[in-house]
Formats: sequence, C-alpha cells, structure tokens
Amino acid sequence: GNSVTQMEGPVTLSEEAFLTINCTYTATGYPSLFWYVQYPGEGLQLLLKATKADDKGSNKGFEATYRKETTSFHLEKGSVQVSDSAVYFCALSGFHTGTASKLTFGTGTRLQVML
Amino acid sequence: NAGVTQTPKFRILKIGQSMTLQCTQDMNHNYMYWYRQDPGMGLKLIYYSVGAGITDKGEVPNGYNVSRSTTEDFPLRLELAAPSQTSVYFCASKGTESNQPQHFGDGTRLSIL
Repeated sequence: GNSVTQMEGPVTLSEEAFLTINCTYTATGYPSLFWYVQYPGEGLQLLLKATKADDKGSNKGFEATYRKETTSFHLEKGSVQVSDSAVYFCALSGFHTGTASKLTFGTGTRLQVML
Repeated sequence: NAGVTQTPKFRILKIGQSMTLQCTQDMNHNYMYWYRQDPGMGLKLIYYSVGAGITDKGEVPNGYNVSRSTTEDFPLRLELAAPSQTSVYFCASKGTESNQPQHFGDGTRLSIL
C-alpha cells in the first residue's frame, strides 16, 4: 500500500535560516504529492502540490520537487520567518481510478522558528 | 467564502454517550472525507464518500458511522463513545478532478471522559 515517511520534529530554527523537511514515499504508479500546513488551532491548508515527476510546486517562498528516481518530495524554504511556525504534512494521492483520491499522510513535522 | 464548515468546535462526552459531528461544504464537491488526528500519528481516514448516497470505510472506521443524503452534508456519528475516540476530527472535501487538493475544515476537538 501507499505510505509517506517524514523526518521527525520538532525542527527549531532561527529566523532567516534555511529549511529542509524531508519526505519520501512508497506508492504504485504516479501519485500526486502535496504539502499541507497546519497552524495552531486550525485545519490543514494546502501549501503546494506536484502532479508528475520533475514538477516543482511553490508557494509563499516554499518549494518542493517531485523526484521519482528517489521517491522524494522534500520541502525547502530559503529564509524562514516566525510566522512559518506550524506543523507540516507531506501527503500523496493515489494514482488509480476508484481510489476517490484518498490522501495518505505522513506523521507531520513541527517547525518552530525563533527570533 | 465558507468552504468546509464543522460543528461543534469542541465537545466533551461521557463514555457511552452518542453524538453527531456535522460537516457541510458549499463548493459542490462530490468527494468528502472524515479524518481523525492523534498526536504524533498524522491523519487517519475514517470514512469517505464519492457522492450523495455512497459511503465507504477508510483505515479506522470502527465505532463510527456516516451518511451522505446530500452533496453538501457528511455527518459523522459516534454511537457509544469510548476514551479511544478522544481526538481531533477533520472533515474535508474535494472536486472530482484527480489533481485537485482536498479542502479541510477547522476541526472538532472531542474528549471522551
């Protein structure tokens, strides 16, 4: 079956530091890949997505590239801000029809950015 | 611009009580989902629906029931609350295009004591 593995947190960084959160996946076919962000007390929001190999998703300074050869979708940001403190979830959506686009989530990585 | 709306936001139940978590969406999405989020465990799919009148089990359906009488509404029912059902519950919806994302509500925090 499908699975997503994320690096464990918390990740604690100083403001303006470089961020990488690793994500690898196991899936059949060509899934779509997503990063969701959850701010305290809120639901999940889509941060970025990529639907095929070598696609780069980007939003709000965050980027992730769909690497089929390494089955990875690592999240990066060049300069984090305090407002980026949140929990980040990597997820994949199955390729096959009839799956109702069910998402498989990683366990989440908490990011704390300090002044 | 409501999106996905969940009610209530918080609830405390006694063991053995029942309740319904409400979820409604105004985006005319066919697909709807219920997840539970436990600390350090990510989100687990409880039930999902691909359209009115059609529901199916996810990874962790035991102790829950759902119905989908309209496109907009997808309530989740707990019949006999147990402490193991203490969690945060999220409802989500999605259009039928394969690369569209799921849209989430703000969650219901449920404690069973």
